[in-house]
Amino acid sequence: EAQVTQNPRYLITVTGKKLTVTCSQNMNHEYMSWYRQDPGLGLRQIYYSMNVEVTDKGDVPEGYKVSRKEKRNFPLILESPSPNQTSLYFCASSSAGYRSYEQYFGPGTRLTVT
Amino acid sequence: DAKTTQPPSMDCAEGRAANLPCNHSTISGNEYVYWYRQIHSQGPQYIIHGLKNNETNEMASLIITEDRKSSTLILPHATLRDTAVYYCIVAPVSNDYKLSFGAGTTVTVRA
Repeated sequence: EAQVTQNPRYLITVTGKKLTVTCSQNMNHEYMSWYRQDPGLGLRQIYYSMNVEVTDKGDVPEGYKVSRKEKRNFPLILESPSPNQTSLYFCASSSAGYRSYEQYFGPGTRLTVT
Repeated sequence: DAKTTQPPSMDCAEGRAANLPCNHSTISGNEYVYWYRQIHSQGPQYIIHGLKNNETNEMASLIITEDRKSSTLILPHATLRDTAVYYCIVAPVSNDYKLSFGAGTTVTVRA
């Protein structure tokens, strides 16, 4: 089954404790991205990757890091989480070219930073 | 990117067609119209997209006006599981593949 998986699905952590949210897709997609969703602000892109070793900032990259060492994985790293990073996070992937905007989203990771 | 305008909410009776409007009067010639939906706190789900011709798939139909300034997503036989926020997105063919989600339309299907 074609899917994007995220782990963990729920996470409660404390300020400053480094964490990683994993994202994996099984569709051999070139493009992957991370979004966060907050009430009243909608979905906003954090980082994206066009292919292995190619990443770029989205609209709200501050406080986040990403890496793309393998095509299937695109982890989101919060090196020193703060309460304003409490949010619902989604990973997405798509193939390149014409179908690039037909993105598959993961189930979401709900992060709470206290 | 072109801005879209959608009604904030609408109700639909189960089994009836749901017609979701979207205004995108500033759309450019190379911009597609995409529709996604998000069922409560789940990941958004791609529905359909089009450039200027009407499109249909197993989920919905997309009607784009001839001047491309507006479009309508049609769910032909709405079910309770279609209750969701529906997003109309206009996106150019570009290198960043970013989807700019607005507020969308909250569709409630009632039994």
